[in-house]
Amino acid sequence: ETGVTQTPRHLVMGMTNKKSLKCEQHLGHNAMYWYKQSAKKPLELMFVYNFKEQTENNSVPSRFSPECPNSSHLFLHLHTLQPEDSALYLCASSPEGTEANYGYTFGSGTRLTVV
Amino acid sequence: DQQVKQNSPSLSVQEGRISILNCDYTNSMFDYFLWYKKYPAEGPTFLISISSIKDKNEDGRFTVFLNKSAKHLSLHIVPSQPGDSAVYFCAAFGGAGNMLTFGGGTRLMVKP
Repeated sequence: ETGVTQTPRHLVMGMTNKKSLKCEQHLGHNAMYWYKQSAKKPLELMFVYNFKEQTENNSVPSRFSPECPNSSHLFLHLHTLQPEDSALYLCASSPEGTEANYGYTFGSGTRLTVV
Repeated sequence: DQQVKQNSPSLSVQEGRISILNCDYTNSMFDYFLWYKKYPAEGPTFLISISSIKDKNEDGRFTVFLNKSAKHLSLHIVPSQPGDSAVYFCAAFGGAGNMLTFGGGTRLMVKP
């Protein structure tokens, strides 16, 4: 356990469903991230939150909607997804100012399959 | 355009031998580099890092080398062990937005 917990670990959803991914950290970090890892592609940064404020939206389609109610929790709300959205979604957190010495701490990810 | 590239998608090494994983980058503003290790069904975990002011950092069996002029870094694992079999991601820090930028990963297989 890394200190960043993601639920659920696996999710299968239809294209008309609405679901949410949850990420939780109690490391005292103030920055949280959503990454997408598709097969044979680099890790893609989706969203960044610093102190609950979204500071980065990496041209992500609106069918992905992030929410950060506090510095410890991060959600990714999903609706009307496409099969090509099937991927591993990783949450990460880092100390304030993204102190590079410590890198990012990742959760184990949610394996999403859109059918 | 990928700013961090790992050109070898996979590498197979015999147990006890040296594993060398390579990474190239294009953004000269990157000032910190990290290697992450990822097992199946788990998130990446931090392995080792190096600042751009250094050319080598060693931690046990793992050594990272940085060649700034060539914009190239490498991770050496010696001796390699079967438990090292995983996907290794190179990541660079700095540049616009000061975010981590990841390479595509290299799958290392260490054969007993």
